[in-house]
Amino acid sequence: RKEVEQDPGPFNVPEGATVAFNCTYSNSASQSFFWYRQDCRKEPKLLMSVYSSGNEDGRFTAQLNRASQYISLLIRDSKLSDSATYLCVVTPRSSNTGKLIFGQGTTLQVKP
Amino acid sequence: EAQVTQNPRYLITVTGKKLTVTCSQNMNHEYMSWYRQDPGLGLRQIYYSMNVEVTDKGDVPEGYKVSRKEKRNFPLILESPSPNQTSLYFCASSPFLGGATSGANVLTFGAGSRLTVL
Repeated sequence: RKEVEQDPGPFNVPEGATVAFNCTYSNSASQSFFWYRQDCRKEPKLLMSVYSSGNEDGRFTAQLNRASQYISLLIRDSKLSDSATYLCVVTPRSSNTGKLIFGQGTTLQVKP
Repeated sequence: EAQVTQNPRYLITVTGKKLTVTCSQNMNHEYMSWYRQDPGLGLRQIYYSMNVEVTDKGDVPEGYKVSRKEKRNFPLILESPSPNQTSLYFCASSPFLGGATSGANVLTFGAGSRLTVL
């Protein structure tokens, strides 16, 4: 089993739709969680950190479920510009480790 | 402008010819890391460095070397490249890594280096 798993998709949705992705992680001691966005083979860029209490940034909402070991990303009112690959990132252990584990990514295609 | 700069951006080389991909950041970040990205496998960590003169293996270090003699630079060295090292490589940095203070863990990536080994 991979340490961090995502459904690669693609998720094809119409503009204005609400779409959600999940990312599961296997190490219960995982410490920090992030969503990054990557456009067509360009560098990944931070979309949002994921806090224990959940957090929202405009149309984007991130949630953490430690009991079930997954994080989620919800995108409301999808725009064409949201088309990208969304990478889940986990720091697998507590402090002073330099390892970051990336999920394979979930591809979103928003159609007109 | 705060950034991570990688060079070269594109390179085609032949098996066995040593090459170095440079990475430099101007943000005074302590942490730097190299990743390779391959279709269906996502981003995999090659090496990372928590600070100057401190480097450690990631998940796929075989065939690569790194050094961290200065804080700003973290070159990736392929002593004897092979075709299975054909990939898209990213360098990244962050203020430091560790703990639950997520802001410190945020990575800034370079634009990527596409390497082809024939």
